Amino acid sequence: SQKIEQNSEALNIQEGKTATLTCNYTNYSPAYLQWYRQDPGRGPVFLLLIRENEKEKRKERLKVTFDTTLKQSLFHITASQPADSATYLCALDATGGFKTIFGAGTRLFVKA
Amino acid sequence: DGGITQSPKYLFRKEGQNVTLSCEQNLNHDAMYWYRQDPGQGLRLIYYSQIVNDFQKGDIAEGYSVSREKKESFPLTVTSAQKNPTAFYLCASSPRPGGRDEQFFGPGTRLTVL
Repeated sequence: SQKIEQNSEALNIQEGKTATLTCNYTNYSPAYLQWYRQDPGRGPVFLLLIRENEKEKRKERLKVTFDTTLKQSLFHITASQPADSATYLCALDATGGFKTIFGAGTRLFVKA
Repeated sequence: DGGITQSPKYLFRKEGQNVTLSCEQNLNHDAMYWYRQDPGQGLRLIYYSQIVNDFQKGDIAEGYSVSREKKESFPLTVTSAQKNPTAFYLCASSPRPGGRDEQFFGPGTRLTVL
């Protein structure tokens, strides 16, 4: 069955370091992959979208990679700040293209 | 301001009652979605609509109903048939259906069954 996996354990890093979050998927061949940020009690906010023919995409301190062979996306936050502490969700377009499937998210804590 | 709004923010329901959650967008988006989020779980799709007067069941539609009579509005009714309705409900919209576009989310409604 189709599955998206994100590390359920929280990631704790020191301010200024690079945070790397992983999204793995099985039995999908998505054309698009998205990353969202969600703060407690609030709706997710879109961060980046990457297409299957793009290897990497950057936006300010954020970088996303998309490896369709490994069926994996990596999400990097460089020079992390305490304000980056949140849950980060990855999302894929489901087969058929009309729905988006979300992972459970990884909680990131950045310590000052 | 363009955006997507949900009301109420908190909702309490007695068992056996139907309740309707409001979702409005002024982004002129064609597609709208309802998700349910439980602690430690990803967003699960309840219903989605690609265009006015059309909607499809998502992965967990049982016990829920929707309507899409206007482009900007996509209300969700949680019926008494929903066995475990206590959850955080999120409405979203996108310019086009599917994963090609980012989704814009509302602030959410937290429903608690007493």
